[in-house]
Amino acid sequence: QQQVKQSPQSLIVQKGGISIINCAYENTAFDYFPWYQQFPGKGPALLIAIRPDVSEKKEGRFTISFNKSAKQFSLHIMDSQPGDSATYFCAAMVYNTDKLIFGTGTRLQVFP
Amino acid sequence: EAGVTQFPSHSVIEKGQTVTLRCDPISGHDNLYWYRRVMGKEIKFLLHFVKESKQDESGMPNNRFLAERTGGTYSTLKVQPAELEDSGVYFCASSQGVRVDPLGEQFFGPGTRLTVL
Repeated sequence: QQQVKQSPQSLIVQKGGISIINCAYENTAFDYFPWYQQFPGKGPALLIAIRPDVSEKKEGRFTISFNKSAKQFSLHIMDSQPGDSATYFCAAMVYNTDKLIFGTGTRLQVFP
Repeated sequence: EAGVTQFPSHSVIEKGQTVTLRCDPISGHDNLYWYRRVMGKEIKFLLHFVKESKQDESGMPNNRFLAERTGGTYSTLKVQPAELEDSGVYFCASSQGVRVDPLGEQFFGPGTRLTVL
């Protein structure tokens, strides 16, 4: 079964709007939660990541919100731009391993 | 600095044939990973090499898949014989260290799209 559930599958946002992608997990042994961004023809690239000891991490227009009790985390893209159009994957990693567990991906399209 | 490279970028084969995928990690990266994404689904971990040793191969689907990393540099992933369900995008990633911070970030290659007809 899927260990990391991601939604929505696709998202269309107007330029300047806020894009929100959500992920949920069950395994409490996860201790690292990255988000990857993938452009067509390229591999996934690390965008931003968070550990469960903080509830929020912000880097520029990208913010991760983390809710440990609800076992949920989300990516917020503020002031979304057409250049943000890509597929976004949430992921998790179990403590003391190097195996990334990915969500199913969200295809984001930002229209001018 | 060159990133992770994979060859070929696309491969179309018939069921029952053999295919070998190649991954060249970033120079100096001891850790090499293989992942696979079946269309529309999640990217799934296949295995992890540390230098030439298999650290974790828990994600390998079955014994039709054989991964090697002779000499601790490039890696190959052979599928023999290929089945329809093997179709997908195979990603390779490499990292300098482990456990993510600070040197363990995994850098992904562009993937090989495998189509089995």
